[in-house]
Amino acid sequence: GQNIDQPTEMTATEGAIVQINCTYQTSGFNGLFWYQQHAGEAPTFLSYNVLDGLEEKGRFSSFLSRSKGYSYLLLKELQMKDSASYLCAVRDYGQNFVFGPGTRLSVLP
Amino acid sequence: DSGVTQTPKHLITATGQRVTLRCSPRSGDLSVYWYQQSLDQGLQFLIQYYNGEERAKGNILERFSAQQFPDLHSELNLSSLELGDSALYFCASSVAGTGATDTQYFGPGTRLTVL
Repeated sequence: GQNIDQPTEMTATEGAIVQINCTYQTSGFNGLFWYQQHAGEAPTFLSYNVLDGLEEKGRFSSFLSRSKGYSYLLLKELQMKDSASYLCAVRDYGQNFVFGPGTRLSVLP
Repeated sequence: DSGVTQTPKHLITATGQRVTLRCSPRSGDLSVYWYQQSLDQGLQFLIQYYNGEERAKGNILERFSAQQFPDLHSELNLSSLELGDSALYFCASSVAGTGATDTQYFGPGTRLTVL
């Protein structure tokens, strides 16, 4: 079956670093995506990983280990505007997208 | 602004009714995806079209159907509506619709309320 797990909620302090984990079990693997979604708004693309390793994009980095079915999103120098839900999604061999339940991040002053 | 447009923004209707949601992809994108997001279920992939043809099918109910037209806009038809169909419906588009690097861009969504 298809399953993606993420922590439900996380809290961090402004200026800090936070790591959001994602584990997955899907029917094949054809890429992993991270999206940010503010309440009531559309998801916006943050990063993708298809090969093992770290992809860095400004304050955001994403890591992938395909053998472990594991990814994380690293957010540095947290800002209040980073308070949002972070969605992990995997594209399987059937081109289906499977989204995780999302991690709600609260950034406190 | 992602460049993906969806209409209407809000829709309120009654159980048993039928509604049509519309999506226009970003200029140059050939693929359109439909998603349902409810509070208790998260983001659920419904269906994908590429250049007018169905490419992938997710958790789409038989009461729901979609199509992509020659001008690449897409419509999602929801019939025999039930209270549980109340949700945010997102459309997303991408250039190719395949491959690990093909990024999806989401529209603002249509909020459907079934009373």
